[in-house]
Amino acid sequence: ILNVEQSPQSLHVQEGDSTNFTCSFPSSNFYALHWYRWETAKSPEALFVMTLNGDEKKKGRISATLNTKEGYSYLYIKGSQPEDSATYLCAFAYSGAGSYQLTFGKGTKLSVIP
Amino acid sequence: EPEVTQTPSHQVTQMGQEVILRCVPISNHLYFYWYRQILGQKVEFLVSFYNNEISEKSEIFDDQFSVERPDGSNFTLKIRSTKLEDSAMYFCASKESGVRDYEQYFGPGTRLTVT
Repeated sequence: ILNVEQSPQSLHVQEGDSTNFTCSFPSSNFYALHWYRWETAKSPEALFVMTLNGDEKKKGRISATLNTKEGYSYLYIKGSQPEDSATYLCAFAYSGAGSYQLTFGKGTKLSVIP
Repeated sequence: EPEVTQTPSHQVTQMGQEVILRCVPISNHLYFYWYRQILGQKVEFLVSFYNNEISEKSEIFDDQFSVERPDGSNFTLKIRSTKLEDSAMYFCASKESGVRDYEQYFGPGTRLTVT
């Protein structure tokens, strides 16, 4: 059974604070790691797809790192803004999944307080 | 920007009824998926579809479920006889290519409530 865990489950930060959260996944048969940003009643928005150990990706104030050997990824948000409030999902694709289906973590719910 | 759309946004049905959830994937995409999220739980994979056939399915996807791509644009999920435990948010997703660093794009979901 593939298990993807995210921590913390939720957090509240003040506007302007930087924050980070963790996704852990199986380190064997790694194929890809996806990060999504999900606001209620909207489509989960694709943030990053990461495939190589040591990958670092950045989109504006959001960045992510990947360690496939130890099975974790960090998502960082620099200078949080109220519009960053959302649930951040990570999802793991393993190399045995012929159609690249994703196994999700439960998400980290971020609330940014103005 | 192209997007995955789903209809309806919310469906209420009685136990034992059939429901069809509809999705329009992004037009040049080749891989199609259904996922669901029961309230408070993780998003779970149901089924994938490629080249006009099911390529993989999870143990959740039993004989009560079926998928179809009837006209080259729509992608549907049918539940033949709904149960209370089928109540969930159902997401459709599509992917352009099998290349590993391609994104899966998700629709906004259909919330199914079985009473």
